[in-house]
Amino acid sequence: SYELTQPPSVSVSPGQTARITCSGDALPNQYAFWYQQKPGQAPVLVIYKDSERPSGIPERFSGSSSGTTVTLTISAVQAEDEADYYCQSGDNSGTDVVFGGGTKLTVL
Amino acid sequence: EVQLVESGGGLVKPGGSLRLSCAASGFTFSNAWMSWVRQAPGKGQEWVGRIKSKTDGETTDYAAPVKGRFTISRDDSKNTLYLQMNSLKTEDTAVYYCTTLSGSYSLGWYFAYWGQGTLVTVSS
Repeated sequence: SYELTQPPSVSVSPGQTARITCSGDALPNQYAFWYQQKPGQAPVLVIYKDSERPSGIPERFSGSSSGTTVTLTISAVQAEDEADYYCQSGDNSGTDVVFGGGTKLTVL
Repeated sequence: EVQLVESGGGLVKPGGSLRLSCAASGFTFSNAWMSWVRQAPGKGQEWVGRIKSKTDGETTDYAAPVKGRFTISRDDSKNTLYLQMNSLKTEDTAVYYCTTLSGSYSLGWYFAYWGQGTLVTVSS
């Protein structure tokens, strides 16, 4: 079955830039989406269609794509950004939906 | 404001059944494609399935682990989405989220709005 691969954890100090990658063979053909999930809460969409930001999401969140890898970048990280981040996409058939395993962002 | 409120979770024995409901408000539910996503304790998200709008045929798709056991349906007169779960297994234990579904087959699907989730525990 199709998989998306994320690093389990990323750590940064406040004010630094955090980059979370997500790799998958179908990513050149399918958009990627990113969700932020804080403990005990539902996920929140922070990036859609690789790099678009929903209304209400701070400008410090951005997304990019290059080949089989997509990247979520959080600039000038704040303590409130500490959360689990999940990438999500589809397989080449467009039918199945797949999530990455998630990356725990720790703000030191 | 979009609101999705799930209900119906609880403890059920392996082999049992449960029906989850999701009350939707703040958008035109009848036009929306909807989905269920679940998250096992301490694990990541897993897509369960989707249902199209009545206009688009109200057809359904399911992830392989639940196909043949779970059924998604909708009642547009009540703005409510359902998930009927039969032949439950211990590995179905998870928080189940109701979500809106956006996107396309060619470019990908995504979940713009999520409910707060309802916990289903399958245990003897």
